[in-house]
Amino acid sequence: IVMTQSPATLSLSPGDTATLSCRAGQFVGNKLAWYHQKPGQAPRLLIYGASTRATGVPATISGSGSGTEFTLTISRLQSEDFAVYYCQQYNEWPLTFGGGTKVEIK
Amino acid sequence: VQLLESGGGLVQPGGSLRLSCAASGITFTNYGMAWVRQAPGKGLEWVSEISGSGETAYYLDSVKGRFTISRDNSKNTVYLQLNGLRAEDTAVYFCAKDLRMGMFFDIWGQGTMVTVSS
Repeated sequence: IVMTQSPATLSLSPGDTATLSCRAGQFVGNKLAWYHQKPGQAPRLLIYGASTRATGVPATISGSGSGTEFTLTISRLQSEDFAVYYCQQYNEWPLTFGGGTKVEIK
Repeated sequence: VQLLESGGGLVQPGGSLRLSCAASGITFTNYGMAWVRQAPGKGLEWVSEISGSGETAYYLDSVKGRFTISRDNSKNTVYLQLNGLRAEDTAVYFCAKDLRMGMFFDIWGQGTMVTVSS
C-alpha cells in the first residue's frame, strides 16, 4: 500500500499549529501510526490506531482520520516538535511508511 | 527497555553481513521484531519482521532471497543476515519492537550503518 504524505515541508514558527496529511493508496481502516524523527536519532512512536497517543506523548499532538485519509495536528509548536514526521500503515503486509513531512522553523 | 544493534560496516557489492539486535527490559518472546532501514537522506523503509516464536517471517520484495531474519529467544537477540548486498542496500538499519506482530513499532534501537561500496 503506497502512503503519500503532504506537504513535503512545512515552515512554521514556534506557537503555530501544524497540520500534516497522510493518504493511503488503499483502505487501511484505522491501522495507521505516526512517528517523528530528529536528525541522527531513531524514530519515536507518537500515534497508533489513527488517533491514540502513545505513552508520554503530549495532548498537543493529535491524530484523526480513517479509511484512506489521515491527519496529524501539532498545536502550539515547541522546539522539540521541529522534526520529520512519518505515517505508517499496518493493515497489510508489507508494512509501509509515507515519505515524510519535515516541519521546520520559519 | 533497550534495543542495541551491531554488525554494520563497509562491504563490497555482492558481500555479506550479519546484523544483531540485543533486547533488554522486555519479555522478548511476546513480541514481533522488525528491521527498518533508512538510506542516507531518505525516508523509512520496512525490511523484515519475525514473530515472537520465530516461526513466521515477512520480507520486503526487494530483499527476498537475499536477506534472512532469525531470532534466538534464549539470548533475547534478533538477527538479519544480509547476502548479495547491493549499493541500494546502503542505509542505517534500525531494529524495532512491534506491539505484537504486523503492527507498529513502539521501541527502536539507535541503528547500525551498512555501506555497500567498492
